[in-house]
Amino acid sequence: GAVVSQHPSRVICKSGTSVKIECRSLDFQATTMFWYRQFPKQSLMLMATSNEGSKATYEQGVEKDKFLINHASLTLSTLTVTSAHPEDSSFYICSARDLAGGHTEAFFGQGTRLTVV
Amino acid sequence: AQSVTQLGSHVSVSEGALVLLRCNYSSSVPPYLFWYVQYPNQGLQLLLKYTSAATLVKGINGFEAEFKKSETSFHLTKPSAHMSDAAEYFCAAGLMGNQFYFGTGTSLTVIP
Repeated sequence: GAVVSQHPSRVICKSGTSVKIECRSLDFQATTMFWYRQFPKQSLMLMATSNEGSKATYEQGVEKDKFLINHASLTLSTLTVTSAHPEDSSFYICSARDLAGGHTEAFFGQGTRLTVV
Repeated sequence: AQSVTQLGSHVSVSEGALVLLRCNYSSSVPPYLFWYVQYPNQGLQLLLKYTSAATLVKGINGFEAEFKKSETSFHLTKPSAHMSDAAEYFCAAGLMGNQFYFGTGTSLTVIP
């Protein structure tokens, strides 16, 4: 199946700094990628849909200026948490679907554990 | 609109016992259905998927699920639980568009 790689797997940053998380589709082109946030013992909350070459579509309640998404190529989307605060600490996961490759499922990155101190 | 409901946020079974995790979907059009497993601090791994072929779907690690249109269900089962099955399980639904809909997850505990 298709592979989605997410980096870094863990990051600790100081409050007020910015953190960039990368999501790559390794063997397929992803015109659309999805960014999720997951709180402990909870389900995945869709934050935004990243569209290659255009602006991301954010879910209601997600701050666009706080969570910057860039999808500059068909294989890379980045999520930047700007001016991070402790409440931004969470597990962030990206995913993509390879519909052109005949795969109906979503492929997920390994996730990024962000801790803001 | 799509929605996915997982009954039971926590399920405990004894090692060797039957595992049954419930999932119901609501949609006017039967969607593609999936079960994913998540281990701590990891992404989601696909267990199995239903894509309108066989209604009984076999997946990895001995899991299987049966699509029942009349009940709008896609319950996940495994005949004999193993300690390594302890994890979080998510049911998901999606159409051919890009959006995916997740259930709230079920945490499976296996008791030795």
